[in-house]
Amino acid sequence: DTGVSQDPRHKITKRGQNVTFRCDPISEHNRLYWYRQTLGQGPEFLTYFQNEAQLEKSRLLSDRFSAERPKGSFSTLEIQRTEQGDSAMYLCASSPHFNEKLFFGSGTQLSVL
Amino acid sequence: GENVEQHPSTLSVQEGDSAVIKCTYSDSASNYFPWYKQELGKRPQLIIDIRSNVGEKKDQRIAVTLNKTAKHFSLHITETQPEDSAVYFCAANSAGGTSYGKLTFGQGTILTVHP
Repeated sequence: DTGVSQDPRHKITKRGQNVTFRCDPISEHNRLYWYRQTLGQGPEFLTYFQNEAQLEKSRLLSDRFSAERPKGSFSTLEIQRTEQGDSAMYLCASSPHFNEKLFFGSGTQLSVL
Repeated sequence: GENVEQHPSTLSVQEGDSAVIKCTYSDSASNYFPWYKQELGKRPQLIIDIRSNVGEKKDQRIAVTLNKTAKHFSLHITETQPEDSAVYFCAANSAGGTSYGKLTFGQGTILTVHP
């Protein structure tokens, strides 16, 4: 499968714990996006990278959230001190240079107990 | 920032009928409008998109229309089939600057096609 891959598919954690998700974009895509989707809603933009540079962050991304893309390839999204309100599907997407077509991964479903 | 409203939230049709989903957007600078289909437990998949220099685009049974003046766009599915049943999301981009490629999504429409 040469699409966007995310790991893990599911994560259950206790409130207050830290979690980290990984995204591997389509190999020739230099743009990578993180979105969050809650039940019954459309995806909400969190942040995006062009190569290794993080170019924009949503105000939804509190100080407890951090994203990296150290070598311009895979990306990680870390949530520190998780809260129940963080429970959601975290979707990663990638797109080629100067092309706004987003290709999504299958997401990581986070449940905070 | 951009705001996208989508209607209806649910849509039920008989197989073979047409389905129409409508969206409005707020930012007149938006110039890219994709539609995504998401089946239960699966990733959103791009099914069709349109740019603001085009009024209509078709791909087999799917078409999208755009009215820039009114700031609304619609998805039309003809000859619906049970496998069209899914959640459909419209979206609009934030054009220009560092926001290139950032999308704002509508709330989604649950389409059910009854055999």
